[in-house]
Amino acid sequence: SQQGEEDPQALSIQEGENATMNCSYKTSINNLQWYRQNSGRGLVHLILIRSNEREKHSGRLRVTLDTSKKSSSLLITASRAADTASYFCATVAYNAGNNRKLIWGLGTSLAVNP
Amino acid sequence: NAGVMQNPRHLVRRRGQEARLRCSPMKGHSHVYWYRQLPEEGLKFMVYLQKENIIDESGMPKERFSAEFPKEGPSILRIQQVVRGDSAAYFCASSYSSGNEKLFFGSGTQLSVL
Repeated sequence: SQQGEEDPQALSIQEGENATMNCSYKTSINNLQWYRQNSGRGLVHLILIRSNEREKHSGRLRVTLDTSKKSSSLLITASRAADTASYFCATVAYNAGNNRKLIWGLGTSLAVNP
Repeated sequence: NAGVMQNPRHLVRRRGQEARLRCSPMKGHSHVYWYRQLPEEGLKFMVYLQKENIIDESGMPKERFSAEFPKEGPSILRIQQVVRGDSAAYFCASSYSSGNEKLFFGSGTQLSVL
């Protein structure tokens, strides 16, 4: 079953602004991952943050993880029109054993207007 | 180093026909996952396979759907006697190890049932 929940469901901003998306989950996790999906395409991995990490950066992306609140945020700074896509968070449950499939949220649809 | 390859990109079937979707994982990857996605929705897990083994098929309907990942050749998702409700995008992903690592996605197969 899906356990991740992203908010907002949809976000529309102007080029140059920052975009923040949030993800909440329900069970203890081993790691949390963010993916991006352009319309009609497969997902592309953006960043992975482990349960013992609080913040991670990759280029214009900044991800935070608060395990006490079971939540994560993805910040895209200085957004560009090319950032327009859907963004998904996915979690791997802690000590999931051999079956470690990712649990996916429903995604945030981001539109960056030029 | 080719990424995850899915074919066909688009597949049109009439009700009652069979659909075969193929997925070649990235070189060196022995873990394959199939997902289904409806428009404006997130990913729905279907099945997780390793070479010659089905690890988790909890997301796959018990009837008409089957999946395999033989020792040689691509993974196949097979849908028998398709119905209109099977129309969706089907994505395949692969990973090097069992789920903690990031997934690499194919571009998907868009199945349309007439």
